Amino acid sequence: DSGVTQTPKHLITATGQRVTLRCSPRSGDLSVYWYQQSLDQGLQFLIQYYNGEERAKGNILERFSAQQFPDLHSELNLSSLELGDSALYFCASSGRLAGGLSTDTQYFGPGTRLTVL
Amino acid sequence: KNQVEQSPQSLIILEGKNCTLQCNYTVSPFSNLRWYKQDTGRGPVSLTIMTFSENTKSNGRYTATLDADTKQSSLHITASQLSDSASYICVVSAGAHYGGSQGNLIFGKGTKLSVKP
Repeated sequence: DSGVTQTPKHLITATGQRVTLRCSPRSGDLSVYWYQQSLDQGLQFLIQYYNGEERAKGNILERFSAQQFPDLHSELNLSSLELGDSALYFCASSGRLAGGLSTDTQYFGPGTRLTVL
Repeated sequence: KNQVEQSPQSLIILEGKNCTLQCNYTVSPFSNLRWYKQDTGRGPVSLTIMTFSENTKSNGRYTATLDADTKQSSLHITASQLSDSASYICVVSAGAHYGGSQGNLIFGKGTKLSVKP
């Protein structure tokens, strides 16, 4: 158990809909990362938040947005869903030290499996 | 274009044997390179993290090497066990790092290792 929790575990929805995925980092971790893993693309980094602020951005679509709240939990919002958005979405956390380190170990949650029908 | 390529795509070995997985990257500016182990349907688990100045790092039976000149890394698994069956993912961090940022994380597609009794 990594200490990172994600809800829900599974989500089934229809094209055009909007969903919110939730992540609670390990106690004290300041950074949260979101990843998408689909069968044909492998793992892709979407975005990183550090202590409430966006810190790094990967291949995140404009239809997707994220935020990190004062209690450090994070939400990933996916809107105007398409069939191709079906994937496993992972959250990871790191960095219990203020400032963080670029080499901090990331601890991954169990993922949310999103199916868009 | 930042890319991480892994080989082989898949590998089958007998329990007790050693194996080596390869990772080649074209990522700039390079910050660090990580190897993860991912069991099917679960979040990745960090094995090693190496910066530019490190050329080898071990974690139990896992030993990673890094040649920053040729932009190659390898992961060597010694005395394989059935529990080593998983996907092994190479990740390279690119970009500036400040205030907790881990940069843009570029993922390889992984090597799927099967260890047979």
